[in-house]
Amino acid sequence: DTAVSQTPKYLVTQMGNDKSIKCEQNLGHDTMYWYKQDSKKFLKIMFSYNNKELIINETVPNRFSPKSPDKAHLNLHINSLELGDSAVYFCASSQDPGTSGIKTQYFGPGTRLLVL
Amino acid sequence: DAKTTQPPSMDCAEGRAANLPCNHSTISGNEYVYWYRQIHSQGPQYIIHGLKNNETNEMASLIITEDRKSSTLILPHATLRDTAVYYCIVRGYGGSQGNLIFGKGTKLSVKP
Repeated sequence: DTAVSQTPKYLVTQMGNDKSIKCEQNLGHDTMYWYKQDSKKFLKIMFSYNNKELIINETVPNRFSPKSPDKAHLNLHINSLELGDSAVYFCASSQDPGTSGIKTQYFGPGTRLLVL
Repeated sequence: DAKTTQPPSMDCAEGRAANLPCNHSTISGNEYVYWYRQIHSQGPQYIIHGLKNNETNEMASLIITEDRKSSTLILPHATLRDTAVYYCIVRGYGGSQGNLIFGKGTKLSVKP
């Protein structure tokens, strides 16, 4: 009964390849996120997405694209992988805060990507 | 950029209270203080949040100063499993203001 799940847990691939990471949440949330944690352990938001808007961190290369087949899924597609893309990628979800402003996020276990 | 300042590391003896400080002197009136932690190799875990009143839940207590410029997360009886990096985050709501901006956090080591 995992709340936020990601697959695969580990991903090793060659430079130049295209890969996808899947994320699913069973919490009924309507907002999902992708974060990147680099080797220095800095955790940075990449995208936030609900059925109304996609907000993209301006530092994210356009090789990265989120795709949401439905409200419970937000997959991350990465084209032309580069060495610097090696990191741990975390998916998260939250309920739309409405007027309360409270938006607690629940994180998945992470996908460890290594680009060779 | 993160709007908070935390000590890079702290030690705590097992069974004792762990008090983790956070400065957020530029906090706005509609911004909440959130605490998350990240245990090694796991995803961040929500702990607690507050606006201006002190808060307590099954995991921790959050003490926010009257001027809201600083706060303290209290783990009342730290265990070895509380060893983690603790992040204090200030966030608003609406659009990108609602996104979590993680700083460097405080690495808490609970020792036997």
